[in-house]
Amino acid sequence: GDSVTQMEGPVTLSEEAFLTINCTYTATGYPSLFWYVQYPGEGLQLLLKATKADDKGSNKGFEATYRKETTSFHLEKGSVQVSDSAVYFCALKQGQGAQKLVFGQGTRLTINP
Amino acid sequence: SAVISQKPSRDICQRGTSLTIQCQVDSQVTMMFWYRQQPGQSLTLIATANQGSEATYESGFVIDKFPISRPNLTFSTLTVSNMSPEDSSIYLCSVEGTGGSEAFFGQGTRLTVV
Repeated sequence: GDSVTQMEGPVTLSEEAFLTINCTYTATGYPSLFWYVQYPGEGLQLLLKATKADDKGSNKGFEATYRKETTSFHLEKGSVQVSDSAVYFCALKQGQGAQKLVFGQGTRLTINP
Repeated sequence: SAVISQKPSRDICQRGTSLTIQCQVDSQVTMMFWYRQQPGQSLTLIATANQGSEATYESGFVIDKFPISRPNLTFSTLTVSNMSPEDSSIYLCSVEGTGGSEAFFGQGTRLTVV
């Protein structure tokens, strides 16, 4: 079945450092890809998404590009802030409309001032 | 967008008892999803709840353990039955936004079984 693999955490960086969180997937067809973020004590929020190959999703300074050739959707940010400390989940969804999400294991990110 | 209210936000329960979690959405939706997030792990889909039909359960989850109700298009409940410490998790409900491009999640119910 479909699966998502994220880099192991936790990840600890200093403020203004460059961030990469790796995400690769195994799926049939052409799934949509997502990054969700879970801030401490809160529910999951969509951070960005891409629905087809070579699409780039971006939001709040974060970016991820849908790479079908490497089945990857790595999350990047050029300069992280303390407020970016959260758990980040990569996920995929097959098809259109209401379908289940398949999540990676999550990566806990801590940014130190 | 969709706003989801989940209750309770947290609970501590005795083993062998049951807890019912409620999920209220501010708009009508066809499908609602229930996920489990075990400590330090990712989210796993428990079941999909359609209004007017029985829920569809994922492999490893059964109706006797996680009965679900879906009485209308804005509400659903998940019951965790005959609880054991292994059921300690965060339970989240989710719906798809209009157009099917984004999933929205409730705040989650943090369950601790002692």
